[in-house]
Amino acid sequence: AQSVTQPDIHITVSEGASLELRCNYSYGATPYLFWYVQSPGQGLQLLLKYFSGDTLVQGIKGFEAEFKRSQSSFNLRKPSVHWSDAAEYFCAVDLNQAGTALIFGKGTTLSVSS
Amino acid sequence: DTAVSQTPKYLVTQMGNDKSIKCEQNLGHDTMYWYKQDSKKFLKIMFSYNNKELIINETVPNRFSPKSPDKAHLNLHINSLELGDSAVYFCASSHRGKNTEAFFGQGTRLTVV
Repeated sequence: AQSVTQPDIHITVSEGASLELRCNYSYGATPYLFWYVQSPGQGLQLLLKYFSGDTLVQGIKGFEAEFKRSQSSFNLRKPSVHWSDAAEYFCAVDLNQAGTALIFGKGTTLSVSS
Repeated sequence: DTAVSQTPKYLVTQMGNDKSIKCEQNLGHDTMYWYKQDSKKFLKIMFSYNNKELIINETVPNRFSPKSPDKAHLNLHINSLELGDSAVYFCASSHRGKNTEAFFGQGTRLTVV
């Protein structure tokens, strides 16, 4: 079955430490890939996206993600986490590469400790 | 100058009532969506409209009826509300086509009591 998997439900990192959030998808072809962030009580904000080309993409707020075709993964990274990064992070795919609809992972809750 | 705006932000209502959530986008997009986020924060597509035409209709009870009067608006009407309808409903919009991304509204938290 087609799916998007975020294996980590909850991650806690210390402020200033590095972060990696995992995302795997199971589809035949490479879909469009996205990471969204949702702060408490807020909507979804796009962090970064991958359509094609360079497999390392840069996003807002110092985030980056790397697409690895061989692993069907699109992991999100940040070298130094800030307390304001505490939020819910969602990986999503656009299967049809046509802007029709997104399939979301179940999300990873990021907590930042001081 | 909000890109995708939803009203209301919060909605508390009794079981059996009928309610509507409105969504408007000023991005010039041709495709709009409704997503439902459940209590476990799982997001799932409900409907998608392209140029006022329904293109995605996931397994959603008939009590939910989207209406798109024009490309910039997509409203969600819910009849006979049930406790299980309590969730956060997100509207989104995008261009239909290559290299496109979706922009989301702030969400409407619906609580059915």
